[in-house]
Amino acid sequence: DAKTTQPPSMDCAEGRAANLPCNHSTISGNEYVYWYRQIHSQGPQYIIHGLKNNETNEMASLIITEDRKSSTLILPHATLRDTAVYYCIVRVVRNNNAGNMLTFGGGTRLMVKP
Amino acid sequence: GAVVSQHPSRVICKSGTSVKIECRSLDFQATTMFWYRQFPKQSLMLMATSNEGSKATYEQGVEKDKFLINHASLTLSTLTVTSAHPEDSSFYICSAIKGNRGVETQYFGPGTRLLVL
Repeated sequence: DAKTTQPPSMDCAEGRAANLPCNHSTISGNEYVYWYRQIHSQGPQYIIHGLKNNETNEMASLIITEDRKSSTLILPHATLRDTAVYYCIVRVVRNNNAGNMLTFGGGTRLMVKP
Repeated sequence: GAVVSQHPSRVICKSGTSVKIECRSLDFQATTMFWYRQFPKQSLMLMATSNEGSKATYEQGVEKDKFLINHASLTLSTLTVTSAHPEDSSFYICSAIKGNRGVETQYFGPGTRLLVL
């Protein structure tokens, strides 16, 4: 399983871009990088995922390095409601046709401050 | 995004009783659902994989006779905590897979907070 490494916490000023890094140096060629976030006492919320190319949606942008060993999630204009724990996950593929489970690490606790 | 619901959102029960938690995919069908548990200030831990029409697959250390999982339809999986004890108090979260293999995404329910007295 490809493991991920994230800083345990980060602060960001409201209105500024939040750049959350993630290292996944042992990622395999067919593994996707997924980002989820969890606001306190809620279930995780899907943000974005990618394989090789950079991706963008209404919530965030995902920048994946060319060697795929690291990625950065970018929240372009952070708001107070973006305060949450952000999880970078590399999807594990199982061979039992049961679907692909997600392994959650510690994540990064992002605190957006006024 | 897709919608996954859980019921109840919060439950308090006495020690020794059983509690059933429902997980529903509201706008898509899910052959596979997952059940996670999260203790305070910790990350999510996978408990089991729920497969429609077949037995669930449990993670190491999770008692299958204590945490009964039934995935009777493509939109519903249930987790029953049998003979609950205070140490079972936790935040239980389900997720469902939407999409084809290779480009699928997991969507999570809002969670169920269980308190066993």
